[in-house]
Amino acid sequence: GQNIDQPTEMTATEGAIVQINCTYQTSGFNGLFWYQQHAGEAPTFLSYNVLDGLEEKGRFSSFLSRSKGYSYLLLKELQMKDSASYLCAASDSNYQLIWGAGTKLIIKP
Amino acid sequence: IAGITQAPTSQILAAGRRMTLRCTQDMRHNAMYWYRQDLGLGLRLIHYSNTAGTTGKGEVPDGYSVSRANTDDFPLTLASAVPSQTSVYFCASSEVTSSYNEQFFGPGTRLTVL
Repeated sequence: GQNIDQPTEMTATEGAIVQINCTYQTSGFNGLFWYQQHAGEAPTFLSYNVLDGLEEKGRFSSFLSRSKGYSYLLLKELQMKDSASYLCAASDSNYQLIWGAGTKLIIKP
Repeated sequence: IAGITQAPTSQILAAGRRMTLRCTQDMRHNAMYWYRQDLGLGLRLIHYSNTAGTTGKGEVPDGYSVSRANTDDFPLTLASAVPSQTSVYFCASSEVTSSYNEQFFGPGTRLTVL
């Protein structure tokens, strides 16, 4: 079957670094997406990885290992506005996105 | 540019009633999707459409129907609402290319079935 696993909740301190892990099993693989979702709002795109390695975009970076079925989202210099849920989604052989349940990130001052 | 609009924003509905959630996109994307999001379960695909005139079933299609008469509109209908359909519903669209299918989301409809 198809499955995405990510932690339910994480807590970090303002100004620190946090890494959110995601493991996936899909029928075929066409890339890994990370989305951010603030409470009461729609998900918004953060990053996309299809090749192994690290993609950096400002304070956010995303890593992919296809052989391990593993990705992580790295958030640096955490700000209070980063408090949100982070959704991991893998694109399968039909280009459908298989979604994880999301990781709620709580930032403390 | 509006992107994706959904209506209504929220709705309280009596069980057994029929309800249509509306979704319109102005990005001319070929694919559109309906998801429901429940606490702790993440986004679950209800129905999708890869192009105008075609639709497909997702993970949780029972009790829902869709149509795709044109590129821009993708309404979701609950024929006879039940309390278990209480959820937040998101419409999304994407331009599916050879390997990239970033999805863009509407603001959501919060539906309560009593």
